[in-house]
Amino acid sequence: ETGVTQTPRHLVMGMTNKKSLKCEQHLGHNAMYWYKQSAKKPLELMFVYSLEERVENNSVPSRFSPECPNSSHLFLHLHTLQPEDSALYLCASSQDIVGNEQFFGPGTRLTVL
Amino acid sequence: GEDVEQSLFLSVREGDSSVINCTYTDSSSTYLYWYKQEPGAGLQLLTYIFSNMDMKQDQRLTVLLNKKDKHLSLRIADTQTGDSAIYFCAEGSTGGFKTIFGAGTRLFVKA
Repeated sequence: ETGVTQTPRHLVMGMTNKKSLKCEQHLGHNAMYWYKQSAKKPLELMFVYSLEERVENNSVPSRFSPECPNSSHLFLHLHTLQPEDSALYLCASSQDIVGNEQFFGPGTRLTVL
Repeated sequence: GEDVEQSLFLSVREGDSSVINCTYTDSSSTYLYWYKQEPGAGLQLLTYIFSNMDMKQDQRLTVLLNKKDKHLSLRIADTQTGDSAIYFCAEGSTGGFKTIFGAGTRLFVKA
């Protein structure tokens, strides 16, 4: 148990659907992250939030829309995705954004048909 | 830009030592990490080393850092089947907040 939970664990959606991924951390951390993990590629940082403010948007297409309503919760809203967006989406948190160990959730396995 | 590279696969016999290698490009890296990902789980920090250190040992794990060559390695002694997982090398710096990850090395342990 890492203290970071993600729901759902698996999601299959069509290209016209709208869905949301949810992440919750119970560690009292100030920073939260979304990563995309694709086979044989480096982990891709998508978004970083520090104290509920977005500090990094790593050239992510607008069909991915993050939301951080408070320091414990992070959402990733998805709409009109493409099949190449199929991947494992990992959420992580850390005490602060600089030089701290990141604690990862188990990920949401997303398949776009 | 920053880059972290590692080989994709490694296969060892149970009881042997495993050595997973990584190279990175950012000379300002302050922290170098090894994360482990077991099937169906997120990444878990195994160990880390500060850039002013050459070696760190933690039970069966030994991390070696060659800062001149920007080369990091993780040695697992007496490898067990439970060590089968994907191992990610990552680097970060105090000057920024990005942690750059490699693609991961999948370790297969044969009984």
